Amino acid sequence: EIVLTQSPTTMAASPGEKVTLTCRASSSVSYMHWYQQRSGTSPKLWIYETSKLASGVPNRFSGSGSGTSYSLTINSMETEDAATYYCQQGSSYPWTFGGGTKLELK
Amino acid sequence: QVTLKESGTGILQPSQALSLTCSFSGFSLSTTGICVSWIRQPSGKGLEWLADICWDDGKGYNPSLKNRLSISKDTSNNQAFLKITSVDTADTATYYCARSPFTIAAMWDYWGQGVMVTVSS
Repeated sequence: EIVLTQSPTTMAASPGEKVTLTCRASSSVSYMHWYQQRSGTSPKLWIYETSKLASGVPNRFSGSGSGTSYSLTINSMETEDAATYYCQQGSSYPWTFGGGTKLELK
Repeated sequence: QVTLKESGTGILQPSQALSLTCSFSGFSLSTTGICVSWIRQPSGKGLEWLADICWDDGKGYNPSLKNRLSISKDTSNNQAFLKITSVDTADTATYYCARSPFTIAAMWDYWGQGVMVTVSS
């Protein structure tokens, strides 16, 4: 099983601040997907195949990475971005998620 | 418009079987490459993929629960089902069904609202 480790576990950012969330895989994966989950709601696909923005996702978000190291970046933090973000690999069974990064507004 | 909705037993006792139904619209499980998955999330914790069923009746299970899981589908009625046997308190969670489109690496582009399941004696 591929274990995904996200860091940090929790962080706070001020409006306008640049934010980078990291996901490290225990073995190399071809792509990484990211989901956003606001409190009390279902996860939403946010970034797929490492760097493609899902429909409706603002272009202040970006994704990058390869092999065992991937990241999600917010160019300029906005209030609505406060949520938990999960990375997920779909390259090797069983599909696995990272533990999540909770992003709060400072 | 793609929608999914979960339904099933809300409260169970340990050792009972959990049966969940995913009713969906806006796509068909007979379309090449399409799968429906079950994913769960204990309150305040992370996400865990449980099982997939695909257009060709292919199935995948999380090895950590494989002996207890059974996934099936009713293509005509746009439904997918999950059964978990011998539940215990660790199975208390919100259970989601989600659509997996035909892609390079498995992912879920549409999710249901989730159904909360509690296992308690």
